[in-house]
Amino acid sequence: QVLLVQSGAEVEKSGASVKVSCKASGYTFAGYYIHWVRQAPGQGLEWMGWINPNTGDPNYAQKFQGRVTLTTDTSVNTAYLELGRLRSDDTAVYFCARDRGGSNYGDFDSWGQGTLVTVSS
Amino acid sequence: DIQMTQSPSSLSASVGDRVAITCRASQSISTDLNWYQQKPGQAPSLLIYTASTLQSGVPSRFSGSASGTDFTLTISSLQPEDFATYYCQQSNRVPITFGQGTRLEIK
Repeated sequence: QVLLVQSGAEVEKSGASVKVSCKASGYTFAGYYIHWVRQAPGQGLEWMGWINPNTGDPNYAQKFQGRVTLTTDTSVNTAYLELGRLRSDDTAVYFCARDRGGSNYGDFDSWGQGTLVTVSS
Repeated sequence: DIQMTQSPSSLSASVGDRVAITCRASQSISTDLNWYQQKPGQAPSLLIYTASTLQSGVPSRFSGSASGTDFTLTISSLQPEDFATYYCQQSNRVPITFGQGTRLEIK
């Protein structure tokens, strides 16, 4: 079955960077876009961007432009999110999610378990 | 950015009730509207995509409909496992945006 397994919780200081991984299994990794969505404590869902694992091409929400980098390593079926210049309001659970279709449908049929990133001052 | 407005923000209902959650888009998004269910401490799960198509494995008591920029998620007969938070999401334009969520609680 499709499985996305994310790396463990992180605690970082303001101004630092964090890198979260998302390892995929159970399907052809290169065939489906991966999206990243975050959720601040007690809040709603916020889309951050997507990446096409086949080409490595990303698309970022403008809000995160310049601070976020999405990459993939097809040799290990893993997607990565790196977020820099962390602020306290970046404290959130970060999810990776697989796009439902082979092209970019923009809906997400499988999700990672989430990675809590805590930013301390 | 396309704004997605859900109503109500919270809802109390009983097992067996029929409930509806609505979502309004700030501009036309065709039928590029998806619904998710999220339980505490878990990732969201896809219920319905393209406004009315049931995701595989989702019970048929869930249904979705569209009328212009208004979308509705209906649960025909609430089951205990349905008490959760529901989000709509538009996939018509970047950035992808979500509604603020509707918390469905047991009465």
